[in-house]
Amino acid sequence: IAGITQAPTSQILAAGRRMTLRCTQDMRHNAMYWYRQDLGLGLRLIHYSNTAGTTGKGEVPDGYSVSRANTDDFPLTLASAVPSQTSVYFCASSERGEGNEQFFGPGTRLTVL
Amino acid sequence: GQNIDQPTEMTATEGAIVQINCTYQTSGFNGLFWYQQHAGEAPTFLSYNVLDGLEEKGRFSSFLSRSKGYSYLLLKELQMKDSASYLCAIMDSNYQLIWGAGTKLIIKP
Repeated sequence: IAGITQAPTSQILAAGRRMTLRCTQDMRHNAMYWYRQDLGLGLRLIHYSNTAGTTGKGEVPDGYSVSRANTDDFPLTLASAVPSQTSVYFCASSERGEGNEQFFGPGTRLTVL
Repeated sequence: GQNIDQPTEMTATEGAIVQINCTYQTSGFNGLFWYQQHAGEAPTFLSYNVLDGLEEKGRFSSFLSRSKGYSYLLLKELQMKDSASYLCAIMDSNYQLIWGAGTKLIIKP
């Protein structure tokens, strides 16, 4: 079944640890995105990639890095986790351009203690 | 700057009609999206408007006025399963989405 998968589903992490959230899509979309969602706030863009081999910074990129080695995968890395990075993380993909909807993965619930 | 406003929470009765408003200010505009998000789940696409007017899709309709920076989502014949958050998002000049905080809709029997 076509779609986006994320792993892990949830994770509890000690502050200072490194963590990679995985995201894979099989729709051959050229654009991919990482968002965080916090209570009372809208989805906030962390990083994005318009096509394989390129990445860009979103609204809240500090403390996060991404890579896009191929079309399907877009991992998000927290180099040294801090409690303020406790959130629900959503990966999404779309065709790039006007009117193209974004498809979301099921999310990763991350708690940093 | 860019700003999107939606009511935080609304309550409606099963079988009734509810209108969720979204106002926005943005420096670039390539359309407005509405998404539905059930608690604990991912957002899913409902509608897209880029021209002024009403788009109807079953029980859901979405309206856009670009000159007023205003949109609404109209839900008819409300069902209990419509209890969810409804997210308004603007596609900016870089084809990225800027999201409102969402409106939590509570449906009562």
